[in-house]
Amino acid sequence: SQQGEEDPQALSIQEGENATMNCSYKTSINNLQWYRQNSGRGLVHLILIRSNEREKHSGRLRVTLDTSKKSSSLLITASRAADTASYFCATVLNTGTASKLTFGTGTRLQVTL
Amino acid sequence: DAGITQSPRHKVTETGTPVTLRCHQTENHRYMYWYRQDPGHGLRLIHYSYGVKDTDKGEVSDGYSVSRSKTEDFLLTLESATSSQTSVYFCAIRQSDNGDGYTFGSGTRLTVV
Repeated sequence: SQQGEEDPQALSIQEGENATMNCSYKTSINNLQWYRQNSGRGLVHLILIRSNEREKHSGRLRVTLDTSKKSSSLLITASRAADTASYFCATVLNTGTASKLTFGTGTRLQVTL
Repeated sequence: DAGITQSPRHKVTETGTPVTLRCHQTENHRYMYWYRQDPGHGLRLIHYSYGVKDTDKGEVSDGYSVSRSKTEDFLLTLESATSSQTSVYFCAIRQSDNGDGYTFGSGTRLTVV
């Protein structure tokens, strides 16, 4: 079963607005990552936040992590049409030799001019 | 995509035939992964490898086998393809042993008719 559930499933905003996507997960994690996927393409790593971190920034991206609630959010500020894509959260749990990246179901973001 | 290539990019095969997908990396990473992506399910882990000849199952491993005889190649085999295995298959490598960031291939679109 999926580790993460993302909310909303789809989001439509206008250029210049902020976009917020939420992710919930079920188990303990070592870190949580966000990926972007343009239509018909592979996934691109955006940002990683470790389990002992609460907030992280990278350019127009801001990620928060609340391990007590098993949830994370991704904020994209001042969105652009080029941000149109699907966004996935993924959790990493390292146990012995196992290191699994488990994905949520994704949020489809549409940014219109 | 950062030293990771998948082949073929597209394949159409008939039900009951064996199919092998190849993932090749040029960067000597230890961990390699196979995922499938289907609408409404996000990406789901099929199998992964943590070294030559060292592999383990993911959440949707039934009907699939893998082999890793060399560090650079991770093969996914559908022993007897079924229509339910029609999907887009992604290979990924873990960038470092501490789990920072994963790089994905461009995907293989497999259609089983």
